[in-house]
Formats: sequence, C-alpha cells, structure tokens
Amino acid sequence: GQNIDQPTEMTATEGAIVQINCTYQTSGFNGLFWYQQHAGEAPTFLSYNVLDGLEEKGRFSSFLSRSKGYSYLLLKELQMKDSASYLCAVVDSNYQLIWGAGTKLIIKP
Amino acid sequence: GAVVSQHPSRVICKSGTSVKIECRSLDFQATTMFWYRQFPKKSLMLMATSNEGSKATYEQGVEKDKFLINHASLTLSTLTVTSAHPEDSSFYICSAQTLQGTEAFFGQGTRLTVV
Repeated sequence: GQNIDQPTEMTATEGAIVQINCTYQTSGFNGLFWYQQHAGEAPTFLSYNVLDGLEEKGRFSSFLSRSKGYSYLLLKELQMKDSASYLCAVVDSNYQLIWGAGTKLIIKP
Repeated sequence: GAVVSQHPSRVICKSGTSVKIECRSLDFQATTMFWYRQFPKKSLMLMATSNEGSKATYEQGVEKDKFLINHASLTLSTLTVTSAHPEDSSFYICSAQTLQGTEAFFGQGTRLTVV
C-alpha cells in the first residue's frame, strides 16, 4: 500500500528553527509537495521537489532524498503566524496526490 | 502564482436539496482537477479525479451518483452534491493541476452545512 508518515504535532519557539519530516512509500514517484494549512482554510502551496537536494525559499526550505523516501520542511525564524498544519503530499506513478495526515505546528512566544 | 477560484465559499442548504460547487482555474489550463473533502481536524480525503472531457474517477467509498462531477472545459469543474443530508456537511476543496503536472493549486474551499 501507499503510505506517507509525518509527526502529528510539533511545538517550537518563536524565532527558532523547526524541521518537519516526511517519509513515504508510494507506487512510483513524480514529486513531493509541501503545503501549509491554517484552520478552516484551504492549503497553500509551499514547495515542490522532484530532484534530490535542498530547495530554499526565504524562511522555508524543503529537502528531498528519493533513495531514502524522505523529505523535510525546514522553517527558520519562526513567527506566530507559522502556527498551522503542514501537509506532505507525494505524486505517484499515476500522477495522483497521496496525502500525509499533516503535522500541526504550535509556535510559542 | 496561479489562481484557482472556488465558489461558493459557504453554503447552507436544506436536507434533500442539491448544491453545486464550481472550481475555476483563472490563469492556466488544467486537464486534471481534484475534489477533496476534509472533516474537522482530519487530513484531506480525495473524493475524485476529474479529467476534462471524460468521466471522473471516484475513490473507493465515494458515491458517484451522489457527488456528480462535470469537467466541461480546461478551466472549469463542478461538483454537485445531490439530495444532501446533514452528514454531507463538510469542507470541500478543489485543486487544479498544471498541464505539466508539476504543481497543484487549491481553491479557497467551500464549507457546506446541511440543515
């Protein structure tokens, strides 16, 4: 079966750095997305990785290792507004999105 | 970035009536659109994949006669919840995938309440 694993909840301090991990086992791989979702709102696109390595976008970076079936989202200089759920999703061989359950990130002052 | 417009954002309807939700890609063409449902504090659940000009592919357990999907053009897909019941109350979200399949953009979501 297809499976995406990410921690259920994480807590971090304002101004700090946090890394949210995602491991996957899917039938084929055509890329991995990270989305941010605030309560009651639709997800917002953060990043897309299809090649190994680190992609940096401002305070957010995303890393992919296809051989390990592993990705992480790195958030730097955390702000209170970063409190949200972070969803990892993999595009499988049929170009379907397979979703993780999401990681709820709580930022404390 | 690309914009996907979903309408309406909120709807309240009476039990037994039907509700139509529209999903439009405003500045790109999307041969594939996805419809999701989200229950409170749960992850997105894929309901169906909508391909322009062909029948939608429904996920197991999703009633195709209840959730009618029409993808008439490269920029518009509609989801109609027929004979709605209170248990259909949920947050429905669409996403449209670029032709290259490299990105998927989400609509704002529709909060459906059936009373």
